[in-house]
Amino acid sequence: DAMVIQNPRYQVTQFGKPVTLSCSQTLNHNVMYWYQQKSSQAPKLLFHYYDKDFNNEADTPDNFQSRRPNTSFCFLDIRSPGLGDAAMYLCATSTLAGGNYNEQFFGPGTRLTVL
Amino acid sequence: DAKTTQPPSMDCAEGRAANLPCNHSTISGNEYVYWYRQIHSQGPQYIIHGLKNNETNEMASLIITEDRKSSTLILPHATLRDTAVYYCIGDGGATNKLIFGTGTLLAVQP
Repeated sequence: DAMVIQNPRYQVTQFGKPVTLSCSQTLNHNVMYWYQQKSSQAPKLLFHYYDKDFNNEADTPDNFQSRRPNTSFCFLDIRSPGLGDAAMYLCATSTLAGGNYNEQFFGPGTRLTVL
Repeated sequence: DAKTTQPPSMDCAEGRAANLPCNHSTISGNEYVYWYRQIHSQGPQYIIHGLKNNETNEMASLIITEDRKSSTLILPHATLRDTAVYYCIGDGGATNKLIFGTGTLLAVQP
């Protein structure tokens, strides 16, 4: 089945130690998103790629970076994780057709713990 | 994107219809209403969306008022597996952003 895959499902890192979360998709969608979801809160968009075009949200901290080497893969890099970055990180994909974006398909998320 | 308002929680008996309301009084004319749900410890899942007309798919029905200031998501026969947080989102389409509100925690009771 076509899907959005996130690895690992659980990631533990140390305060200040860089960490990379990965997302892959078999849907061949041209748009990929990263959301952060802290405990008991709603998901919050960090940034997205339309093909190779990167779109950052204005309030996304510089500590968060992203790479999209090809259509299928997208990475979230946290350069110096702080305790406040502990959260579930969700990857999603969608398509742009007729000038409108279609519904988003989400992966299962990676739960990041910062020690 | 339109700001949406939803009740924080609702209960529904298993097998009964669950009717989840959403107010979106600031929605613009070209903004769709999207519904997603998030089952505990999973990623959000798309349910349905609409612009003006009522919509139905295999998961749910969406009733949008004529003035488009509110909508209701209907799960016709709720099951225990429908227990989740349901998000109503006003999406501009051209902006692609999903601005999640606080959502409604639907608890389906046996």
